[in-house]
Amino acid sequence: DQQVKQNSPSLSVQEGRISILNCDYTNSMFDYFLWYKKYPAEGPTFLISISSIKDKNEDGRFTVFLNKSAKHLSLHIVPSQPGDSAVYFCAARQGGSEKLVFGKGMKLTVNP
Amino acid sequence: NAGVTQTPKFQVLKTGQSMTLQCAQDMNHNSMYWYRQDPGMGLRLIYYSASEGTTDKGEVPNGYNVSRLNKREFSLRLESAAPSQTSVYFCASSPQTGGAHSPLHFGNGTRLTVT
Repeated sequence: DQQVKQNSPSLSVQEGRISILNCDYTNSMFDYFLWYKKYPAEGPTFLISISSIKDKNEDGRFTVFLNKSAKHLSLHIVPSQPGDSAVYFCAARQGGSEKLVFGKGMKLTVNP
Repeated sequence: NAGVTQTPKFQVLKTGQSMTLQCAQDMNHNSMYWYRQDPGMGLRLIYYSASEGTTDKGEVPNGYNVSRLNKREFSLRLESAAPSQTSVYFCASSPQTGGAHSPLHFGNGTRLTVT
């Protein structure tokens, strides 16, 4: 049973517009959530995170929103740039656990 | 600063052969991890090591063994490779054990094909 779900495999947006990447989770014990970005032939790189005690965290063009009651989080990228084209993974961890659980990933394409 | 280094980058094995994937980090991190990435499956945890001298199973440990040689190095061994182990393998490290604010730092992966 997949605990972290990224139901849309891909998203295509125009440069300058907003990209919204969604993620749902089923384990109510998760209390820390992260987004990773991955370019082809490279390892994933950490992008932004949010603790369950917050509902929003912002870092430059990237904002993550958390809705605990809906078990849903989203990553907003504004404005989107062609260099943002990559696969984005949502991940979640239960406090004190070593195990970071990843979603299947979503491919974002930003068109110039 | 190299971060997390994985060797080899590519490997082709025949069914039944064995090999060891090497991983080293130079960030003085306590925790290290092995993940595999398969199409449509995301990243799945194979084994992890919370500290030097300890290892634990992740989500998909069958067919693998690991060794935490010292604080820097964490190797993954396939004793008898199977086609189902064809995958991209990522090693990662993290500063704290289970720490909420400890994002994983990943290497660039080893692409393994088992024929």
